[in-house]
Amino acid sequence: GAVVSQHPSWVICKSGTSVKIECRSLDFQATTMFWYRQFPKQSLMLMATSNEGSKATYEQGVEKDKFLINHASLTLSTLTVTSAHPEDSSFYICSASQDRGFIGTDTQYFGPGTRLTVL
Amino acid sequence: AQSVSQHNHHVILSEAASLELGCNYSYGGTVNLFWYVQYPGQHLQLLLKYFSGDPLVKGIKGFEAEFIKSKFSFNLRKPSVQWSDTAEYFCAVYPVGSGNTGKLIFGQGTTLQVKP
Repeated sequence: GAVVSQHPSWVICKSGTSVKIECRSLDFQATTMFWYRQFPKQSLMLMATSNEGSKATYEQGVEKDKFLINHASLTLSTLTVTSAHPEDSSFYICSASQDRGFIGTDTQYFGPGTRLTVL
Repeated sequence: AQSVSQHNHHVILSEAASLELGCNYSYGGTVNLFWYVQYPGQHLQLLLKYFSGDPLVKGIKGFEAEFIKSKFSFNLRKPSVQWSDTAEYFCAVYPVGSGNTGKLIFGQGTTLQVKP
């Protein structure tokens, strides 16, 4: 159980275009979803936290107008990279939790990630 | 600022060797602790977690970790590694306290390469 999928697994786009990445919890209701960014040989950096039905909470330094997050249902969250530029190229990972706000007794289940390359 | 440090960036071992990966964190309060593994081409998977109780935690695939509160450490161990343990290992900390709405803080990861 606790499977999280992401689509697409990789995407190449031209600079200036927008890209949407989907994150789905397949067998549980994800009250909270998290979006991370991972640079090569570096740690996962949390970008934002989204709770179903409410606005996402962005980490400091993350542009909310550039990285649009929507969590419209208990099984789906989307991350849209707007007007993508080469520096946005990265590995984007989502995770999902059944808890809202506190994961003391739960864990985050991670998706396989999406490799974004902006030309 | 809260941070997690994994001192070993790249570890190379032969099969059957013992493994210990270091993880230290900076936070004075209560923490929940995790080790995740990322096999080549796969997503992050939970190896083990510590919330409270016995500081020696056993996880999947023969891994264990020990929480030493006085040292702010949560080192991962395995007595005898296998080639299939080749992967990236991440330590993560959840600072329990007001204002934290689920944010996990990850270490930079350790690449383990096991030679057959």
